[in-house]
Amino acid sequence: AQSVTQLDSQVPVFEEAPVELRCNYSSSVSVYLFWYVQYPNQGLQLLLKYLSGSTLVKGINGFEAEFNKSQTSFHLRKPSVHISDTAEYFCAVSSNFNKFYFGSGTKLNVKP
Amino acid sequence: DSGVTQTPKHLITATGQRVTLRCSPRSGDLSVYWYQQSLDQGLQFLIQYYNGEERAKGNILERFSAQQFPDLHSELNLSSLELGDSALYFCASSEGGQGADTQYFGPGTRLTVL
Repeated sequence: AQSVTQLDSQVPVFEEAPVELRCNYSSSVSVYLFWYVQYPNQGLQLLLKYLSGSTLVKGINGFEAEFNKSQTSFHLRKPSVHISDTAEYFCAVSSNFNKFYFGSGTKLNVKP
Repeated sequence: DSGVTQTPKHLITATGQRVTLRCSPRSGDLSVYWYQQSLDQGLQFLIQYYNGEERAKGNILERFSAQQFPDLHSELNLSSLELGDSALYFCASSEGGQGADTQYFGPGTRLTVL
């Protein structure tokens, strides 16, 4: 079985500051890792995903994430956030068995 | 706009009733996924269909069932509804049926059970 833990339920940050949203996973098989963003009253949108290869993955809107197999982590980072980045962010894991597990979400609140 | 449509947007019903949620995937996508998002349980994967066949099953209750039709739209049927079934139900679609595929989410159907 797989599981995902997002360590922070809320992250407040000032505009133009860097941010890191943490995600840890557990799995006994090779996994695919995803970060999704959910804006208020909308569905989820893919930010980036890791399938294999380079452990640093770049996504949309200036976000990037690093896959760390030894620490079973897939933390999301952005060097400088904007007010428009205020949203809820979900880390997710899947595998070749096609079951998908989402973390509990992290609400990013960017303050002016 | 992801290209995935869900109807209705809102649904209010009573305990014990049955409802049907509908999803139309993006043009060309063969897979449809259903998710339930609630405050206490977060985002839970329910079930996946690929080209009309069930591909993977998650935490779907026996009172819930789904199907994917030849035109690839999907319906999620929820019966004997309980208060705890109140949630946001998302449909997503992907081109293929693999775990590595990008899923495109619809806007969701908000179900309120009174």
